[in-house]
Amino acid sequence: DQQVKQNSPSLSVQEGRISILNCDYTNSMFDYFLWYKKYPAEGPTFLISISSIKDKNEDGRFTVFLNKSAKHLSLHIVPSQPGDSAVYFCAASLSTYYGGATNKLIFGTGTLLAVQP
Amino acid sequence: DARVTQTPRHKVTEMGQEVTMRCQPILGHNTVFWYRQTMMQGLELLAYFRNRAPLDDSGMPKDRFSAEMPDATLATLKIQPSEPRDSAVYFCASGLVRDRVSNEQFFGPGTRLTVL
Repeated sequence: DQQVKQNSPSLSVQEGRISILNCDYTNSMFDYFLWYKKYPAEGPTFLISISSIKDKNEDGRFTVFLNKSAKHLSLHIVPSQPGDSAVYFCAASLSTYYGGATNKLIFGTGTLLAVQP
Repeated sequence: DARVTQTPRHKVTEMGQEVTMRCQPILGHNTVFWYRQTMMQGLELLAYFRNRAPLDDSGMPKDRFSAEMPDATLATLKIQPSEPRDSAVYFCASGLVRDRVSNEQFFGPGTRLTVL
């Protein structure tokens, strides 16, 4: 059973416009969420994160929103640039999964973002 | 520039052969993860080590897969015997966990495995 879901396998956006990537989760115990970006032939790289005690975190062009009641988070990229074209993975963590601190992550299946020049 | 390294980057082998993938985590990190990337499942966690001890390998087919950390600078993932369905990209990641603070994982470039 997929605990973290990214229902859109792909998204195409024009350069300069907003990109919105969505992620849903099923486990209400998740308390930390991350977005990773992956280029072809490279490993995923950390982009931005948010703790469950917040509903928004912003870093430059990237903003992550968390709606705990809906078990939904989204990544906004404004303005989108061609270099943002990549696969974006949403991930969730149970920080005390083993009764102590952990950084075990549950990943979604990813969304391929294509930013058209 | 600290980064996770993985070898080999590419591996083509025949069904039934043993495959060994290696990972060097970032110095000082106390957690190591092995993932498999597939189209249908995204990034599947295969194994999780903390301070070199295996904490979770529930995602790994036990009959053919094994993961070890012989020392703090080396993690290995072995498949014996390999099967065509094992063809995927395998990622290693490392991270640092302290007290109740969870930090992100840092990924290596991956090993692309093709089993013919």
